[in-house]
Amino acid sequence: AQSVTQPDIHITVSEGASLELRCNYSYGATPYLFWYVQSPGQGLQLLLKYFSGDTLVQGIKGFEAEFKRSQSSFNLRKPSVHWSDAAEYFCAVEGYVGIQGAQKLVFGQGTRLTINP
Amino acid sequence: DTGVSQDPRHKITKRGQNVTFRCDPISEHNRLYWYRQTLGQGPEFLTYFQNEAQLEKSRLLSDRFSAERPKGSFSTLEIQRTEQGDSAMYLCASSRRGTTQYFGPGTRLTVL
Repeated sequence: AQSVTQPDIHITVSEGASLELRCNYSYGATPYLFWYVQSPGQGLQLLLKYFSGDTLVQGIKGFEAEFKRSQSSFNLRKPSVHWSDAAEYFCAVEGYVGIQGAQKLVFGQGTRLTINP
Repeated sequence: DTGVSQDPRHKITKRGQNVTFRCDPISEHNRLYWYRQTLGQGPEFLTYFQNEAQLEKSRLLSDRFSAERPKGSFSTLEIQRTEQGDSAMYLCASSRRGTTQYFGPGTRLTVL
């Protein structure tokens, strides 16, 4: 079964500092991987996705992520964080369920990002 | 493209009452998903529609839960005889086949 682990429940960084959020996945085939961001009380916004090709993917708001098959990782990075980046970040892998192969996203527990001024 | 919308955004109910939530997907998205998110956790898959057909239901979806998507457009999720353990954020997402899922703002359910 597919699974996602986000080892860091809470990270605090200073505004302007660099950021890396870790994500490890378990999936038998080539994974489709996603990072979503969620502000308090809101739904999820897609930051970026990896389907195939270049292992370094660029997303919105200056985020990027690198797919490393050998490490089963898909870490999210940003060179310089802004106070508005404070939110919950979720890594997800797309899997299939049931005999009809319905798609579903399997999410990690999330990492809460706090920004110090 | 107006995005996925959900109604209501918040619902407070007493234990034992029935509640119904609505999701309007992005137009022309034939796939619609429901997820549940409890405090401090990532969303968990509940069920999935392709057009009007409900193709998969998670074991998380007890008999008290029912979802419909008449005519393959909007969807409703009903919870009968609510329990305090049903308190969560209920998220709806939609997609076209083989593409990214886009999420709505969610419905926050509080069962007293």
